[in-house]
Amino acid sequence: DADVTQTPRNRITKTGKRIMLECSQTKGHDRMYWYRQDPGLGLRLIYYSFDVKDINKGEISDGYSVSRQAQAKFSLSLESAIPNQTALYFCATSDLTSQGGETQYFGPGTRLLVL
Amino acid sequence: DAKTTQPNSMESNEEEPVHLPCNHSTISGTDYIHWYRQLPSQGPEYVIHGLTSNVNNRMASLAIAEDRKSSTLILHRATLRDAAVYYCILSLIGTYKYIFGTGTRLKVLA
Repeated sequence: DADVTQTPRNRITKTGKRIMLECSQTKGHDRMYWYRQDPGLGLRLIYYSFDVKDINKGEISDGYSVSRQAQAKFSLSLESAIPNQTALYFCATSDLTSQGGETQYFGPGTRLLVL
Repeated sequence: DAKTTQPNSMESNEEEPVHLPCNHSTISGTDYIHWYRQLPSQGPEYVIHGLTSNVNNRMASLAIAEDRKSSTLILHRATLRDAAVYYCILSLIGTYKYIFGTGTRLKVLA
């Protein structure tokens, strides 16, 4: 079984609808992240959480909100979806390494299309 | 924030070594250098990371310049499964920040 799972894997919605993307992890990591990726570009950070009570905005948080329901679950919501939120969304967790620094582990992604 | 510069694309023949360069001239002394790759239709996957010394693991080697302003990811024998976009990323010690660039798309020729 995958360590980081995302549901749904694909979603089509209409402008103005509220949608939620869910992420679960079995790695036991405290830190979780949501990124978006636009075609031909790298990933950009939307929100991150260092533990259940610690949630922080990333570089592009406008139009998004998150909920950390438990150590293993981190959800991303689009309160009122708009077409320019059409993108590939990735959830990730991270852990410290023995050589210093962190390693991030990514889910398979959710492809979102807003019409 | 420090940034990375990578070539947009590179090609390699199968079973030959591949050297993927990255420039990070504004790196600070506490920035780690990470490499991730993204296979088609998948999330990014960790490859290797280091701070000052060269690093080796089962996937690749990381060669870091003495002044740390550049680094090279070395795949010792490229396979068709290594075709992916490779991202060179800097992260500041103790922070969450990964700044992804646009990466290098590696094409492996049979």
